[in-house]
Amino acid sequence: SQQGEEDPQALSIQEGENATMNCSYKTSINNLQWYRQNSGRGLVHLILIRSNEREKHSGRLRVTLDTSKKSSSLLITASRAADTASYFCATDKDFGNEKLTFGTGTRLTIIP
Amino acid sequence: DTAVSQTPKYLVTQMGNDKSIKCEQNLGHDTMYWYKQDSKKFLKIMFSYNNKELIINETVPNRFSPKSPDKAHLNLHINSLELGDSAVYFCASSPRTSNYGYTFGSGTRLTVV
Repeated sequence: SQQGEEDPQALSIQEGENATMNCSYKTSINNLQWYRQNSGRGLVHLILIRSNEREKHSGRLRVTLDTSKKSSSLLITASRAADTASYFCATDKDFGNEKLTFGTGTRLTIIP
Repeated sequence: DTAVSQTPKYLVTQMGNDKSIKCEQNLGHDTMYWYKQDSKKFLKIMFSYNNKELIINETVPNRFSPKSPDKAHLNLHINSLELGDSAVYFCASSPRTSNYGYTFGSGTRLTVV
């Protein structure tokens, strides 16, 4: 079963707007990661946030983590057409677990 | 280029055949994985190897047999292919220590007819 569920399943916005995607998970985690997948391609690691962190930034990306609510959000600011992709959250439950468990993904479409 | 490379990119085969997918990483990572992505884009771990040793086998049918000749390679052999095996298979790698992202290959789209 999927560890995470993402919301919304699909999101369409105008270029230049901000896009927010949410992820909920079920068990305690060591870290949470966000990945991007362009159509027909592999997944690309975007950002990792550890369980003891609450917010992290990387360029136009901002990730928050609320372990009490078992949820995370990914904000992409000033969206571009090239941001069109599917975005997945993935949880790493504990050290030595050696696997990431992926969420269901959000399909983001940026309208030029 | 430093990367995870997997071959072939596309594989179309008939039911009952046996096929292999190869994966190589030149990142010096200790851990390698196989993930399956179905038609609904769900990604599920199949196997995890650490330095040639199997550490995770997620109740995958024994028709699927991973092989790791060295820590830079993790191949996937599938016997007696079934229609339900049609999916995209991704190889990935990561450092042994936690708190690092995975590097994924570009995927192998397997179609069983």
